Amino acid sequence: EVKLLESGGGLVQPGGSLRLSCAASGFTFRSYAMSWVRQAPGKGLEWVSPISDRGSNTYYVDSVKGRFTISRDNSKNTLYLQMDSLRAEDTAVYYCAKHRDSNGYNGFDYWGQGTLVTVSS
Amino acid sequence: AIQMTQSPSSLSASVGDRVTITCRASQDIRNDLGWYQQKPGKAPKVLINDASSLQSGVPSRFSGSGSGTDFTLTISNLQPEDFATYYCLQDYNYPWTFGQGTKVEFK
Repeated sequence: EVKLLESGGGLVQPGGSLRLSCAASGFTFRSYAMSWVRQAPGKGLEWVSPISDRGSNTYYVDSVKGRFTISRDNSKNTLYLQMDSLRAEDTAVYYCAKHRDSNGYNGFDYWGQGTLVTVSS
Repeated sequence: AIQMTQSPSSLSASVGDRVTITCRASQDIRNDLGWYQQKPGKAPKVLINDASSLQSGVPSRFSGSGSGTDFTLTISNLQPEDFATYYCLQDYNYPWTFGQGTKVEFK
């Protein structure tokens, strides 16, 4: 059974940093691309960043470019999102999602349950 | 970025109804479209990939169609557990973009 378990969310002040983790199990983690998707309270879904199977290829939406860094440790079956210079508009539930392929060009087949990040003073 | 326009934004329906949700892309995305279901407080669930391929374990009352710019999600014989919000997602090119969602409510 595929499981994706996010952690690391919480309350942080504007300008602060936070690192999210997503622990994966039930599949060969190193063979699949992964993504982070977020959802602001009461709003729709926003795709944030993908990473390829080996971590060599990444992408960021403009709203987080230069502030967020996606990475993965295939030896630990874990995906990360380092979030710096956080803003109030980054407040959201952050989901990790598994791609159907290794490069990140095909859609998702599994999602985690999400972790809430609140940016507020 | 490709814009995805979903309609309607909400609809009211009864158990047993046939429901249709549409998604229009601002440019040709071939069949690179997925449909997701989200219930309150829960993570999205994948229903369909590649416009019409049903994800394993998803009931056959869900179906998807379309290619190019116009896509449809159909739920035949709506069940109580189907009341939720539905999103389309284009995975044709980066940045991937979601539709704004369609909330299916009980009439």
